[in-house]
Amino acid sequence: EAQVTQNPRYLITVTGKKLTVTCSQNMNHEYMSWYRQDPGLGLRQIYYSMNVEVTDKGDVPEGYKVSRKEKRNFPLILESPSPNQTSLYFCASSSGGSGRLVTNEQFFGPGTRLTVL
Amino acid sequence: AQSVTQLDSQVPVFEEAPVELRCNYSSSVSVYLFWYVQYPNQGLQLLLKYLSGSTLVKGINGFEAEFNKSQTSFHLRKPSVHISDTAEYFCAVSDQGGNQFYFGTGTSLTVIP
Repeated sequence: EAQVTQNPRYLITVTGKKLTVTCSQNMNHEYMSWYRQDPGLGLRQIYYSMNVEVTDKGDVPEGYKVSRKEKRNFPLILESPSPNQTSLYFCASSSGGSGRLVTNEQFFGPGTRLTVL
Repeated sequence: AQSVTQLDSQVPVFEEAPVELRCNYSSSVSVYLFWYVQYPNQGLQLLLKYLSGSTLVKGINGFEAEFNKSQTSFHLRKPSVHISDTAEYFCAVSDQGGNQFYFGTGTSLTVIP
């Protein structure tokens, strides 16, 4: 089954304790992205990746890191989490579209609910 | 950066009635436009998209949207809603220069039996 998986689905942690949220897709997609969803703010893009070793900042990259060492995986790293990073996080992937432009559907994972105390 | 405005945060509508969910975006340059739906406790899935060509776009589940460049709008419509359409709807924009996506704050559609 074609899917985007995220782990963990739920995480409660404390301020300053490094954590990684994993994202994996089995569709051989080149484009992957991370979003956070907050009430009243919708989804905001954190980072995206056009391909292996190619990553770019989205709208809200501060406090986050990503890496793309393999095509299928795109982990989100919080080196020193803070309470304002409490949110629902979604990973997404897409086959791209025309050239470098992503015009095809993004497939979203089930989400990771993170609470930072 | 783009901005996307969804004017209605909540829209209640009776079953089998028509509905319009409004979306306006900020840019006057060419953009790609998308509507996604999020059912409770799930990720988002694509309803429809506008890239170019005909301004009336048809999507899944009977939804359609009309691109209006002069008004920078991309409103979503359905002539007759069902209970199963109850969900959160997000309008999104990406600019043709890159692959950043900007989402609106969402509209919660509640279909009343």
